[in-house]
Amino acid sequence: GAVVSQHPSRVICKSGTSVKIECRSLDFQATTMFWYRQFPKQSLMLMATSNEGSKATYEQGVEKDKFLINHASLTLSTLTVTSAHPEDSSFYICSAAFGRGGLSTDTQYFGPGTRLTVL
Amino acid sequence: EDKVVQSPLSLVVHEGDTVTLNCSYEVTNFRSLLWYKQEKKAPTFLFMLTSSGIEKKSGRLSSILDKKELFSILNITATQTGDSAIYLCALTYKYIFGTGTRLKVLA
Repeated sequence: GAVVSQHPSRVICKSGTSVKIECRSLDFQATTMFWYRQFPKQSLMLMATSNEGSKATYEQGVEKDKFLINHASLTLSTLTVTSAHPEDSSFYICSAAFGRGGLSTDTQYFGPGTRLTVL
Repeated sequence: EDKVVQSPLSLVVHEGDTVTLNCSYEVTNFRSLLWYKQEKKAPTFLFMLTSSGIEKKSGRLSSILDKKELFSILNITATQTGDSAIYLCALTYKYIFGTGTRLKVLA
């Protein structure tokens, strides 16, 4: 149980285009979803936390207008990288957790990640 | 400033060795500490620790938390090549990941 999928797994795009990444919880309802970015040989950096039906909470230094997050349903969150530039090239990972509060939310189940390359 | 520091950064051992990975932290609001294993792609969950002094075990892996000294350790006994990975610890409720320890187990 607790499977999270991400699509696409790999995307290459031209500078200036927008890219949408989907994150789905396949067998549970994820009230909270998280988006991370990971540079080579570095740890995960939390970009934003989203709760279903409300606006995402962005971490300091993450541009909300550039990284649009929509958590439209209990099983789907999307991250759109708008007007992508080469410096946005990275590995993007989503995760999902049960519930809105309490310890049950603490265990996150990760998607397989999306490798974005912006030319 | 909240921070999570893992040590060592990298470690190379031989099969059968026992390893101890460390995670120390300074956070303003602690709720739990989690350990993850990351191989080629996304991390997989290992343990969640909330209380001091209670060891959690899963096969050859075990972990314990010391909330007084603000650290946790992850032990792996009788290591196997399949244990080669990056091991991450994370603190909640603000999800902060440590730098990770890259473990390589040689046959």
